[in-house]
Amino acid sequence: AQRVTQPEKLLSVFKGAPVELKCNYSYSGSPELFWYVQYSRQRLQLLLRHISRESIKGFTADLNKGETSFHLKKPFAQEEDSAMYYCALRAYSGNTPLVFGKGTRLSVIA
Amino acid sequence: NAGVTQTPKFQVLKTGQSMTLQCAQDMNHNSMYWYRQDPGMGLRLIYYSASEGTTDKGEVPNGYNVSRLNKREFSLRLESAAPSQTSVYFCASSEGLAKGNTIYFGEGSWLTVV
Repeated sequence: AQRVTQPEKLLSVFKGAPVELKCNYSYSGSPELFWYVQYSRQRLQLLLRHISRESIKGFTADLNKGETSFHLKKPFAQEEDSAMYYCALRAYSGNTPLVFGKGTRLSVIA
Repeated sequence: NAGVTQTPKFQVLKTGQSMTLQCAQDMNHNSMYWYRQDPGMGLRLIYYSASEGTTDKGEVPNGYNVSRLNKREFSLRLESAAPSQTSVYFCASSEGLAKGNTIYFGEGSWLTVV
């Protein structure tokens, strides 16, 4: 079974400080991994996906198969980054829906 | 460009009442989903429809039924609402279930059962 673990419910950082939101997964095959973000009172939206290897709003995430992790990083946090962040996994092996972690609320303090 | 639209946005129900949450997408997507979002529990899949004419249970289907009315619409029904069903419900859609498909979410429906 697939599982996504986000160990931190809440992460508070000061503006300008580096941010790392942790995501670990459990899946025996090759997964497809995503980060979704939900700003206050808005719908969830895709932030980035590992297959794109892109940087969105200064955020990056690298899939580490050895550590089964997909941590989200940003070198300098901004106040507008305050939001709920969800890590999600889809199995490569079959047609299955995304499995989401429980989410981490990021609070950037001015 | 509406994307995924769900109604109602807010609803208060009494225990035992029934109601249907409506969802429609205008992106010609094959797959649609219903998730619930609860504090500390994240997003949990209730039901999904891989394609028109099919529906499957997700992680937390008990107390819910769904109908894939056509390719555009996917409704979620609570037959006899319980306080444990107080939650924020999100409908979502994607081109399909296969890798590479992005899921697009609606704005959410806030449901309170008293």
